[in-house]
Amino acid sequence: AQKITQTQPGMFVQEKEAVTLDCTYDTSDPSYGLFWYKQPSSGEMIFLIYQGSYDQQNATEGRYSLNFQKARKSANLVISASQLGDSAMYFCAMRESVAGANNLFFGTGTRLTVIP
Amino acid sequence: DTGVSQDPRHKITKRGQNVTFRCDPISEHNRLYWYRQTLGQGPEFLTYFQNEAQLEKSRLLSDRFSAERPKGSFSTLEIQRTEQGDSAMYLCASSLGWDGYTFGSGTRLTVV
Repeated sequence: AQKITQTQPGMFVQEKEAVTLDCTYDTSDPSYGLFWYKQPSSGEMIFLIYQGSYDQQNATEGRYSLNFQKARKSANLVISASQLGDSAMYFCAMRESVAGANNLFFGTGTRLTVIP
Repeated sequence: DTGVSQDPRHKITKRGQNVTFRCDPISEHNRLYWYRQTLGQGPEFLTYFQNEAQLEKSRLLSDRFSAERPKGSFSTLEIQRTEQGDSAMYLCASSLGWDGYTFGSGTRLTVV
């Protein structure tokens, strides 16, 4: 089974509007971390936001917030007030805490296009 | 602190040649990771170093691939006898803890 599933290959949003990018995950580990990264055409993976499995509140970083629904195993990224510079690929990733799990598992990404 | 640096940014090589990539992590980060990203996919884990010790290797890392991190600072990833299937973006990341992985801009390899 895929550890991270992103079901939206592409999304469009009007400038200044909010958009939600979906992410579901699969793990039996009670302790894990969830990440969102932005990858512009230059290729660099830019860290956006992190949510720990035991965090009580949803993470927020500026215009980014993570809608964490633990029972549903979803960790959707919400971008408010979209800007043209937000156009990029967005990846959801998870790190488990089991022994030896030192890597991130990534989804296949969502390409976001912001329309002026 | 200039972030994670990778060199070269682009590499075109003929099938069968050897290539080596370099990654300079953030200086205080003791953990270093290599990932491979093919077109239309998310990055896939290749290997992980804690200081100079290579602690984990993915099954994706065939015996043609070797990575080193001498002295726990920069790291190199070598691919011997390159194949067309090796064409991908190779990303390096570093971290100090578990909640902050900083990636470099990657090395894009094209095998012709």
